[in-house]
Amino acid sequence: DTAVSQTPKYLVTQMGNDKSIKCEQNLGHDTMYWYKQDSKKFLKIMFSYNNKELIINETVPNRFSPKSPDKAHLNLHINSLELGDSAVYFCASSRRGQGASDTQYFGPGTRLTVL
Amino acid sequence: SQQGEEDPQALSIQEGENATMNCSYKTSINNLQWYRQNSGRGLVHLILIRSNEREKHSGRLRVTLDTSKKSSSLLITASRAADTASYFCATEDTGGFKTIFGAGTRLFVKA
Repeated sequence: DTAVSQTPKYLVTQMGNDKSIKCEQNLGHDTMYWYKQDSKKFLKIMFSYNNKELIINETVPNRFSPKSPDKAHLNLHINSLELGDSAVYFCASSRRGQGASDTQYFGPGTRLTVL
Repeated sequence: SQQGEEDPQALSIQEGENATMNCSYKTSINNLQWYRQNSGRGLVHLILIRSNEREKHSGRLRVTLDTSKKSSSLLITASRAADTASYFCATEDTGGFKTIFGAGTRLFVKA
């Protein structure tokens, strides 16, 4: 049983398109995250939701819009995709959302390639 | 700048040898974690060490924390080919809500 799942695993699209990535966790956690991992493997947080409420919103272009319909789901919608958006996007969840005090469980990642 | 920075960036060893990776951070922390990432996969939590702990063990893993030097090390003893992965340290920002990951150490264990 997958704890944190993401779909799709791979996404190849043209510049200017709009796309969504879905994430679901079945761990009963209160907090979910989106991270972007670039080609140098640097992992940077984008957003964090706690019980459907946005608690972390990093300096991310407003083309990126997260949506949390319930605490088990956190989707990421990206408008007007650009070449620089190409990366691996990871969803994660944790029980409470208290920084490094809390273990995070990661999904398998979505590799986004913008052509 | 990053809160956690790993050193070395890459490490190649023979199976059976020990692997040591270091992490330095800038501000005071309450906890520090180490994660592993296999190629093409998400990160997996390995171990958490609290600021009042100096050393922690889990199987073949040993983590140390020196808060005076703002550094931590991860030692993997008797390495195996399956330990080949990237290893990240994670700390929290000054507000305590955000986890900040370093750039990672890529470990390659040759069989």
